[in-house]
Amino acid sequence: AQSVTQLGSHVSVSEGALVLLRCNYSSSVPPYLFWYVQYPNQGLQLLLKYTSAATLVKGINGFEAEFKKSETSFHLTKPSAHMSDAAEYFCAVSEQNFGNEKLTFGTGTRLTIIP
Amino acid sequence: DTAVSQTPKYLVTQMGNDKSIKCEQNLGHDTMYWYKQDSKKFLKIMFSYNNKELIINETVPNRFSPKSPDKAHLNLHINSLELGDSAVYFCASSPSETSYEQYFGPGTRLTVT
Repeated sequence: AQSVTQLGSHVSVSEGALVLLRCNYSSSVPPYLFWYVQYPNQGLQLLLKYTSAATLVKGINGFEAEFKKSETSFHLTKPSAHMSDAAEYFCAVSEQNFGNEKLTFGTGTRLTIIP
Repeated sequence: DTAVSQTPKYLVTQMGNDKSIKCEQNLGHDTMYWYKQDSKKFLKIMFSYNNKELIINETVPNRFSPKSPDKAHLNLHINSLELGDSAVYFCASSPSETSYEQYFGPGTRLTVT
């Protein structure tokens, strides 16, 4: 089974600073990887996805992530944090299940932005 | 227009009761899912349906029974509720069973007392 590890359950950065949220995966086959964001009391929203095209993936709200096979990583970054980025972020990997793709989520990273 | 909607948003009930959560999507998607998010924010898939057929059924107690009257709706019925069922339940949909992109509803916070 595939799995995802998110290092750091809480990350705090100052407004305007670099955001780096870490995600490592385990997979015996090339994975598809995703980042979702969950704002307080809301559902999850897709930020970006990697599906074996370009290794640097750009998403919404200025976020991007780079797939590094050698490091089995898919870290999420944003050059300059904004107060509105405060949320819970989930990394996920797709897992084939008899043709039905199943998402396996990491345990999430709560991002706090310091004014 | 709401893409994936769930009702109710909040549900407080006592142990032993039976309750249902409804989900509807207006995206024209073929596949729908139920997820459970526990108090530590861990999100785990419970079921998925494709065109009204059950595709994924994780190790969920059989007190939980999903029902899909049509491909736009996937309801979750829970019998004999237990304290451990307290969680946020999310419905999601995707264009097909091999699609990699899922759209989530706003969640239903279930509290069992």
